[in-house]
Amino acid sequence: DVKVTQSSRYLVKRTGEKVFLECVQDMDHENMFWYRQDPGLGLRLIYFSYDVKMKEKGDIPEGYSVSREKKERFSLILESASTNQTSMYLCASSWGDTYNEQFFGPGTRLTVL
Amino acid sequence: GQQVMQIPQYQHVQEGEDFTTYCNSSTTLSNIQWYKQRPGGHPVFLIQLVKSGEVKKQKRLTFQFGEAKKNSSLHITATQTTDVGTYFCAGDDKIIFGKGTRLHILP
Repeated sequence: DVKVTQSSRYLVKRTGEKVFLECVQDMDHENMFWYRQDPGLGLRLIYFSYDVKMKEKGDIPEGYSVSREKKERFSLILESASTNQTSMYLCASSWGDTYNEQFFGPGTRLTVL
Repeated sequence: GQQVMQIPQYQHVQEGEDFTTYCNSSTTLSNIQWYKQRPGGHPVFLIQLVKSGEVKKQKRLTFQFGEAKKNSSLHITATQTTDVGTYFCAGDDKIIFGKGTRLHILP
């Protein structure tokens, strides 16, 4: 079974802090994605990566950056956390084409105070 | 930009009643996927449709992709309490998600 794990289930940070969210998948998937999920807004794509060191912006990249140094790991970075970045962050991975079935991690609920 | 609209946003049904959620795109989609997210859980892939007019069934769930590949529907026959959750459609190469339909089942 594909397993996608995220470093924290819950995280509380202060405004202005640099925040790292880590995602690891164990199925050698080419593609990895970061979404944020907010009530009434569904899932919004922040960034995705289709290969090591490759990244593309999604719909809402402002205030975020990503890093993919190894195929199995995709990091989301909040350079200076703000209260409007309080959200559920979901990581996903898929093989082959970017529109193939995505496997999601359990999510990280981030609260920025 | 491309949008995927999903209706209704919420649906309450009596257990045993049928349920349908609809997904509409502003542009032609190359494919559409459906996901289910249980309360407190993460989205789980249900199915992918690729062909115009395609219909697929999974037990009580029927998925359709429109002839013009701009709309899709998920129909659940005789809902059960295990069907509770939010159903998302997602389309195209960058996987644009709809906002989801939250299904509540009344016992």
